[in-house]
Amino acid sequence: EAGVVQSPRYKIIEKKQPVAFWCNPISGHNTLYWYRQNLGQGPELLIRYENEEAVDDSQLPKDRFSAERLKGVDSTLKIQPAELGDSAVYLCASSLAGGNTGELFFGEGSRLTVL
Amino acid sequence: AQSVAQPEDQVNVAEGNPLTVKCTYSVSGNPYLFWYVQYPNRGLQFLLKYITGDNLVKGSYGFEAEFNKSQTSFHLKKPSALVSDSALYFCAVRAFSGYSTLTFGKGTMLLVSP
Repeated sequence: EAGVVQSPRYKIIEKKQPVAFWCNPISGHNTLYWYRQNLGQGPELLIRYENEEAVDDSQLPKDRFSAERLKGVDSTLKIQPAELGDSAVYLCASSLAGGNTGELFFGEGSRLTVL
Repeated sequence: AQSVAQPEDQVNVAEGNPLTVKCTYSVSGNPYLFWYVQYPNRGLQFLLKYITGDNLVKGSYGFEAEFNKSQTSFHLKKPSALVSDSALYFCAVRAFSGYSTLTFGKGTMLLVSP
């Protein structure tokens, strides 16, 4: 069974440039998450989707970050314009829908470096 | 607000010795508790979880964790460490009721020496 797939794995951009990350969750997983992991820290939730609906985006910096999951399967996270402080690893995860007991399955992450 | 504390940035242990990675949590009501492991340049991998029932839960790769409600702790343990266990370990918590975000600790680096 394929896991969570993310691309690109690495991205280097200059500040003020846009960047986008793509995620394809495990087949059948209706819940999709985007997390940001800063160096030396644990992952922090940016946004959670149930199917195509964003049900928790309270931690998403909406002035420059946006996300979509149009058909309830794959998702894109965009940053425009990027700032130096956005350098981090962006992790996508998925889980079966509903409840708090299920574990999350993570992709390998997209490492962003903003120069 | 819920939170997780991993008091040790790094744990060093010799191969063959038992290991413990500490975790304490704060959450309203009963917790769901998780341990994940992260190898270099990889995503997080699920190790084990406590939902209800027996306070000692067993997981992947010979790891286990003990839930202690009075001490609000969920320490990760392994009877005999392997060099290949060297990685970054994250404890995470979710509240029992309603929908709750999975909140992670900052991680503990485990280094197992030959």
